[in-house]
Amino acid sequence: SQELEQSPQSLIVQEGKNLTINCTSSKTLYGLYWYKQKYGEGLIFLMMLQKGGEEKSHEKITAKLDEKKQQSSLHITASQPSHAGIYLCGAAREFGNEKLTFGTGTRLTIIP
Amino acid sequence: GAVVSQHPSWVICKSGTSVKIECRSLDFQATTMFWYRQFPKQSLMLMATSNEGSKATYEQGVEKDKFLINHASLTLSTLTVTSAHPEDSSFYICSACRTGRDGTEAFFGQGTRLTVV
Repeated sequence: SQELEQSPQSLIVQEGKNLTINCTSSKTLYGLYWYKQKYGEGLIFLMMLQKGGEEKSHEKITAKLDEKKQQSSLHITASQPSHAGIYLCGAAREFGNEKLTFGTGTRLTIIP
Repeated sequence: GAVVSQHPSWVICKSGTSVKIECRSLDFQATTMFWYRQFPKQSLMLMATSNEGSKATYEQGVEKDKFLINHASLTLSTLTVTSAHPEDSSFYICSACRTGRDGTEAFFGQGTRLTVV
């Protein structure tokens, strides 16, 4: 089965600083989702990437999928307290099938 | 945007009883829905694929007789935890897929926290 490695597992960042979270797969990613989750709550959809080299941005969050479609990064610029939470990457196991395998998550803490 | 609603958001039940969790796609039809489980400080793990009008497909290690899935309509899938035990306490989340011009996307419900006492 496809495995996703997320790094780092946890991150403590001072407010205003930039940060990057990585998601690496051992197999080709057919669809890569980024979600944010506050512990014990549902998932908030951030972005989905499908094409090699694709990059999407929403407000201060940018996600990229590398050309080989095996690694994605999530970059937050000028972090704010509202960015705190758990970030999960999820990957579709096959083309057109949104049965997702999730990474282990990255817990982001923003300190003032 | 697409909305997936889960109900209840939390439930406490006695050991040995059954609990039903509903997952609804509110503004689109979903022939396929997925059920995930998340234990504390762990990631989401896929339990089963719910297919409208046919039997659910379960992941390895998930007991189909314990976790009954019914997908009777294009907007509703239910997960029933039968004879629940404390080890079934977890956070259950469903997702529904919508196919549009931008491709197929997965939308998640708010989740249901089950506590078995």
